[in-house]
Amino acid sequence: EAGVTQFPSHSVIEKGQTVTLRCDPISGHDNLYWYRRVMGKEIKFLLHFVKESKQDESGMPNNRFLAERTGGTYSTLKVQPAELEDSGVYFCASSQDRINEQFFGPGTRLTVL
Amino acid sequence: KNEVEQSPQNLTAQEGEFITINCSYSVGISALHWLQQHPGGGIVSLFMLSSGKKKHGRLIATINIQEKHSSLHITASHPRDSAVYICAVRSSSNYQLIWGAGTKLIIKP
Repeated sequence: EAGVTQFPSHSVIEKGQTVTLRCDPISGHDNLYWYRRVMGKEIKFLLHFVKESKQDESGMPNNRFLAERTGGTYSTLKVQPAELEDSGVYFCASSQDRINEQFFGPGTRLTVL
Repeated sequence: KNEVEQSPQNLTAQEGEFITINCSYSVGISALHWLQQHPGGGIVSLFMLSSGKKKHGRLIATINIQEKHSSLHITASHPRDSAVYICAVRSSSNYQLIWGAGTKLIIKP
């Protein structure tokens, strides 16, 4: 069974540009989570999907971040326009239900210059 | 003060040593996770526990709910155990994962 995959693995963009990160959860997992670690800080929760619905987006830092999960399968996280402080590693995880173990993707390392 | 505190931040030990990493938390939780992150790699879940103790190979995780404390032990440590070990708790109020800062472990041959 394939695990959680993320694309791209690395992205280097200039301030003001747009970047879209993608996460493919484990097949059949209704719950999908986005997290990020910015330099020198703990990993922080961004948001949680249950199927295509946003269950909790309290961790989204501002309205430059837009997450979608059309059809309840893969999810995208768009940053527009990117700022320097958005640099970090963005992780995605999925689980069958919200009390079960979460399985993590390899992360996308975003660098904003 | 973070809601999840880990100690030590960094740990260097010789191969074969018994390793203990500690995690204390200050919020109500429904579960606690121990995760491993290798350099340049993704995150792997090692344990999810809500009480007592779990063992997997040379890894043992314990939790004391009353004291809000968990420990991760590695017996007969090996250089391949070198990684960052992260404690994360699942909040009982909103099910979010709250993460510790991680413990960077280096095992020297």
